[in-house]
Amino acid sequence: GQQLNQSPQSMFIQEGEDVSMNCTSSSIFNTWLWYKQDPGEGPVLLIALYKAGELTSNGRLTAQFGITRKDSFLNISASIPSDVGIYFCAGRGGNQFYFGTGTSLTVIP
Amino acid sequence: NAGVTQTPKFQVLKTGQSMTLQCAQDMNHEYMSWYRQDPGMGLRLIHYSVGAGITDQGEVPNGYNVSRSTTEDFPLRLLSAAPSQTSVYFCASRLSQSGYGYTFGSGTRLTVV
Repeated sequence: GQQLNQSPQSMFIQEGEDVSMNCTSSSIFNTWLWYKQDPGEGPVLLIALYKAGELTSNGRLTAQFGITRKDSFLNISASIPSDVGIYFCAGRGGNQFYFGTGTSLTVIP
Repeated sequence: NAGVTQTPKFQVLKTGQSMTLQCAQDMNHEYMSWYRQDPGMGLRLIHYSVGAGITDQGEVPNGYNVSRSTTEDFPLRLLSAAPSQTSVYFCASRLSQSGYGYTFGSGTRLTVV
C-alpha cells in the first residue's frame, strides 16, 4: 500500500506552545485529511484539504495542502492539555484513503 | 444518530478460537472498511466494501473474512485467532464520493493469548 510518513513520531510540549507536524507521501493525492484520536477512541476528522496550496483553519488548528500534492502540514497554536492524543494524516488517491503512522502529542501542564 | 457502532469493546481470545467483530452504521454510507491499528504502524486496511454484496481485500487481509449482506452491517470474522492478530480494530464508513473521509467507530481491543 501507499506509504505516508508522518513526523515527528512523538512530541512532548509545554502547555501554551505551538506544535507543527507534517506528512509526506511518495504519491500525489487529491485530498488530504487530518484526524485526531483520543485515548481509547476512534479517529475524528479535524480538517479536510482539497487543492494544492490550500490553507484551512479550525480554531487553533491550521493545515496546509502542499503545493507538490505529496505533503501536508498541521499546526496547533497555544496548545492546551486536551490537545493530547494521536494525530493522523490521510491522503486520498483514486478512491482509497491511506493513513500515516501518527504523531503522538503529549501536553505538559 | 449513533454513527458507527462496534461491538465488543474488548475481547480476549485463545489461539485457534474464532470470533466475529460487529460493525453497524446508520448513516446510509456505501463504503465500509476495517482497519487494524498497531503501535508505530498507523492504520492498515484489512477489508473494505463499496456496497451491499461487494467486498474486497485491503493491505492485510490474511486470517480475516468479511461479508456485506446489508448496507448497515459489516462484520469481520477471525477464522482461527493468532497472537499476531492482537490489535485494535476500527470499523469505518463513508459516502462513496465523500471527500470528508471516514467516520470511525470507537474500536475493539483484541488480545489473542
